[in-house]
Amino acid sequence: GNSVTQMEGPVTLSEEAFLTINCTYTATGYPSLFWYVQYPGEGLQLLLKATKADDKGSNKGFEATYRKETTSFHLEKGSVQVSDSAVYFCALSDKYNQGGKLIFGQGTELSVKP
Amino acid sequence: DAGITQSPRHKVTETGTPVTLRCHQTENHRYMYWYRQDPGHGLRLIHYSYGVKDTDKGEVSDGYSVSRSKTEDFLLTLESATSSQTSVYFCATGTALGGTEAFFGQGTRLTVV
Repeated sequence: GNSVTQMEGPVTLSEEAFLTINCTYTATGYPSLFWYVQYPGEGLQLLLKATKADDKGSNKGFEATYRKETTSFHLEKGSVQVSDSAVYFCALSDKYNQGGKLIFGQGTELSVKP
Repeated sequence: DAGITQSPRHKVTETGTPVTLRCHQTENHRYMYWYRQDPGHGLRLIHYSYGVKDTDKGEVSDGYSVSRSKTEDFLLTLESATSSQTSVYFCATGTALGGTEAFFGQGTRLTVV
C-alpha cells in the first residue's frame, strides 16, 4: 500500500540556517503530496501542497517540489526562524487508491535556536 | 480555521470504561476523520465518514466505533478503554476524499490508567 517516510528528528538548527527535511513516498497511483505543520499544543495546519509531478508548493518561505522520478517531496527553507520550531509532517493522498485517505509520515521535530 | 471543535480537550479515564470524544464542525464539510497521534507513528486513521450515517474503518479501527447522526458532529467511542489507547486524538474535516487538504481540530489528549 501507499506509504510515506520522513527523516528522523529532532532536527536542531541555528536561526537563519538552511533547512531540508527529507520525505519519500511509495504509491501505486498519482498522489497529491502535502506538508503539514504542528505547533506545540495545536492541531495540524496545511503548509503547502503539490498535486502533480514537477509542481512546486510554497508558503511562508518553505518550498517543496514533487519529484516523481525520485518519489520525493523534500521540504526546504532558506533561512529558518525561531518561530519555525514545530513538528512537520509529510503526507500523501491518492483518490484512486486507498480511498484517497491522507497517509502521514511519522513527523520530524524542528527546533530552531536563537 | 475550518471551525472544528473537539471535546473534551483532556481526559483521564480508567481501564475498561467507555469513553466518547466529540468533534463538531461549522463548515458543512462532507468528510470527517478521526486520527490518533503517537510518537514514532505520525497520524494514523481510525475511522472516517463520507456523509451522515456513512462511515468506514481506517487502519487502526479495532476497539473504536464512530457515529455521525448530523453533518456537523462526529463521535468517536472507545468501547472499553485500554492503556494502549492512551494517545492524542485529532478530528479532521475535508471537502473531498483525496487530493485535497484536511482541516484539523486542536486535539484531545486521552490518558487511560
